[in-house]
Amino acid sequence: QTVVTQEPSFSVSPGGTVTLTCGLSSGSVSTSYYPSWYQQTPGQAPRTLIYSTNTRSSGVPDRFSGSILGNKAALTITGAQADDESDYYCVLYMGSSLGVFGGGTKLTVL
Amino acid sequence: EVQLVESGGGLVQPGGSLRLSCAASGFTFSSYAMHWVRQAPGKGLEYVSAISSNGGSTYYANSVKGRFTISRDNSKNTLYLQMGSLRAEDMAVYYCARGTCSSTSCPVTSWGQGTLVTVSS
Repeated sequence: QTVVTQEPSFSVSPGGTVTLTCGLSSGSVSTSYYPSWYQQTPGQAPRTLIYSTNTRSSGVPDRFSGSILGNKAALTITGAQADDESDYYCVLYMGSSLGVFGGGTKLTVL
Repeated sequence: EVQLVESGGGLVQPGGSLRLSCAASGFTFSSYAMHWVRQAPGKGLEYVSAISSNGGSTYYANSVKGRFTISRDNSKNTLYLQMGSLRAEDMAVYYCARGTCSSTSCPVTSWGQGTLVTVSS
């Protein structure tokens, strides 16, 4: 069974830049998996940040960007702000017609 | 504006059944695949099921296969999830979500606020 991997936690200083990654337990992530990124704060529904590798969802500031870095999908936050402190989830669509979520990354801004 | 409003959650005993609904508005419902994603307390997001825009293709997570049924009524702009033989591990907030195209293999971009399902005796 394919597992989607994410860093369990990450920290960034206010104003800093952080890159979160989304990989596979076996193999490389490609654009054909439509990697997508979601932000979630406790008690709230997920918010779509990036879909299909690098398309920013409506209303998402351009300091959030998506890409493929090496064999992983990546979410980069530049100029981190206090309210970026959230859980971040990636999902990959690998042809089974049901997406697979990563375990999520808890981002701390301090 | 896309709006997705879930309903039907609540307390159910183990082995019981529940039907969730998701009322959609602000877009042409019949043109988009729809998805159910859940989140158990303190856990991450998990895909439950998805259905293509015309209802012709449906998919389920192994954990719910044979117990849950996804369906849609395009005339009523409503998505459903019929849940049966409920277990403690099904307890979660269930989110309705819209994909970016008619196929279930396109990513989700819009989310409802979720409905809580509690399985307990």
